[in-house]
Amino acid sequence: KAGVTQTPRYLIKTRGQQVTLSCSPISGHRSVSWYQQTPGQGLQFLFEYFSETQRNKGNFPGRFSGRQFSNSRSEMNVSTLELGDSALYLCASSPGQALRYGYTFGSGTRLTVV
Amino acid sequence: AQTVTQSQPEMSVQEAETVTLSCTYDTSESNYYLFWYKQPPSRQMILVIRQEAYKQQNATENRFSVNFQKAAKSFSLKISDSQLGDTAMYFCAFMNPGGGGSQGNLIFGKGTKLSVKP
Repeated sequence: KAGVTQTPRYLIKTRGQQVTLSCSPISGHRSVSWYQQTPGQGLQFLFEYFSETQRNKGNFPGRFSGRQFSNSRSEMNVSTLELGDSALYLCASSPGQALRYGYTFGSGTRLTVV
Repeated sequence: AQTVTQSQPEMSVQEAETVTLSCTYDTSESNYYLFWYKQPPSRQMILVIRQEAYKQQNATENRFSVNFQKAAKSFSLKISDSQLGDTAMYFCAFMNPGGGGSQGNLIFGKGTKLSVKP
């Protein structure tokens, strides 16, 4: 069974640009969550999608957005990039109804903003 | 708001020995889930063990076990017979399964960097 796949693995962008990250969940998983990981702030929740609807959102500015497609694949977009957006972005999936099982994470996309 | 605290930024242990990582959390909820995740240099977060708050029995997964003290809001991870492959960052995480805006998202501690020495 394939795991959670995130593309690309690495990305370098210039301040002011926008970026789109992709996540393919485990087959059958309907919930996809995104987390930002930085050395200073640690792991912070961005948002969660379930059946194409945003079900939960963390405390991030509106420059951070996401969506989920009918096949459960998800994308997150960051517009007007700032240097502080440099981070590891992790995607996680779960069956959606069985929260007690936690989430399965991908290997992340390392975004560097220069 | 729920918070998770890991008071040990770094720890080291000799191969084959036992080590315990500490985690405390703060919540007013009575029903929740707790997790330990491992993040090796490959960056992928790997679920090590989970605990449901309404279960009094401590969870065990092979060499990994937890000491869950609900009243004290403590959730420590014990790794027995430590192996070189256990070297990684370990994150304690809390999940509130209830309704409202925080449903289902994980709240992580800052992590403990564990080094297993040969």
